[in-house]
Amino acid sequence: RKEVEQDPGPFNVPEGATVAFNCTYSNSASQSFFWYRQDCRKEPKLLMSVYSSGNEDGRFTAQLNRASQYISLLIRDSKLSDSATYLCVVTFNDMRFGAGTRLTVKP
Amino acid sequence: EAQVTQNPRYLITVTGKKLTVTCSQNMNHEYMSWYRQDPGLGLRQIYYSMNVEVTDKGDVPEGYKVSRKEKRNFPLILESPSPNQTSLYFCASSFYPLAGRSYNEQFFGPGTRLTVL
Repeated sequence: RKEVEQDPGPFNVPEGATVAFNCTYSNSASQSFFWYRQDCRKEPKLLMSVYSSGNEDGRFTAQLNRASQYISLLIRDSKLSDSATYLCVVTFNDMRFGAGTRLTVKP
Repeated sequence: EAQVTQNPRYLITVTGKKLTVTCSQNMNHEYMSWYRQDPGLGLRQIYYSMNVEVTDKGDVPEGYKVSRKEKRNFPLILESPSPNQTSLYFCASSFYPLAGRSYNEQFFGPGTRLTVL
């Protein structure tokens, strides 16, 4: 079983749609959680950290469920510019990346 | 401008020909690491360094070497490249993660696309 698992997608949604990604992790002792965004052929960049209480940044909401060992990312009112691959990252002694979920937002 | 730079950005080479991919950061970060990214496998850590002269193996270190003689530089060395090392490589840096606390944001270089024939 992979340490961090994501649905690879692709998710194809129209502009304005709400889309949600889930990510599961295997190590119950994991400490920190992040979502990174990676544009095609570019480097990953931090989108947001994920806190136990859940957190929101504009149209993006991240949630953590420690009991079930999953984190989620919700994107509301999708924009064309949201098209990218979203990487789930979990840390314990080091950072573990999921393989990513590809999102395409269409006009 | 705060950044991580990698060179070369693209490289095509042949099996067995030693190569070095350079990585440099100007943010005074203690922690640096190398990843490779392959389709369906995500980012896998090759080596990491917590500070000058301190390096350790990641998940996939076989066939790679690193050194950390200066804080800003962390080159990746392939002594005898093989076709299974064809991949997209990223260098990353961050401030050293505090024990028991969350990791700091990692800043990635632009990537090096390596093809070994």
